[in-house]
Amino acid sequence: DAGVTQSPTHLIKTRGQHVTLRCSPISGHKSVSWYQQVLGQGPQFIFQYYEKEERGRGNFPDRFSARQFPNYSSELNVNALLLGDSALYLCASSFVVTGELFFGEGSRLTVL
Amino acid sequence: QKEVEQNSGPLSVPEGAIASLNCTYSDRGSQSFFWYRQYSGKSPELIMFIYSNGDKEDGRFTAQLNKASQYVSLLIRDSQPSDSATYLCAVNTGFQKLVFGTGTRLLVSP
Repeated sequence: DAGVTQSPTHLIKTRGQHVTLRCSPISGHKSVSWYQQVLGQGPQFIFQYYEKEERGRGNFPDRFSARQFPNYSSELNVNALLLGDSALYLCASSFVVTGELFFGEGSRLTVL
Repeated sequence: QKEVEQNSGPLSVPEGAIASLNCTYSDRGSQSFFWYRQYSGKSPELIMFIYSNGDKEDGRFTAQLNKASQYVSLLIRDSQPSDSATYLCAVNTGFQKLVFGTGTRLLVSP
């Protein structure tokens, strides 16, 4: 069975640009969460979606937004990129809201 | 005080030894606890989860939870060089918001 898939795997942007990251959950999983991991730190929670509704939001500015589609895939959008947005962006899925999280391989974003 | 604290390490153990990784958390209402393994440049991989006080064993791994002391640990028996990685402790504070520690780097020498 396919795990959580994310795209793109690597990308380079310049300050002020925007980026869209995509995620497909494990088949049957209805919950998708997004995390940001800066080098040397643990992942930090950005958003959680369940059944297409936002169920949680972390301490990130409004430049970060996300949505979940009817097929449970998800997009994370970041506008007006800053150098500090350079990180590994991780998508995780779970069967239910309180289930174990399974992470994709991540999208590594570099902002120049 | 950080919500989830781990010693950053590195924790060095010889092959075949028991590695003991520790984690403390601040939110007494936390209900579920997870250990993830992360190899350099890769994403976190779930290896154990525990909800109740006591021990939970899975192969060479044992997770231990003491809610009264707000303490979670992971024991790795018969450590192998392939176990060398960063181990992340994560605590569920509600609605799937996992709060992660900064991780403990484990080095297993042959």
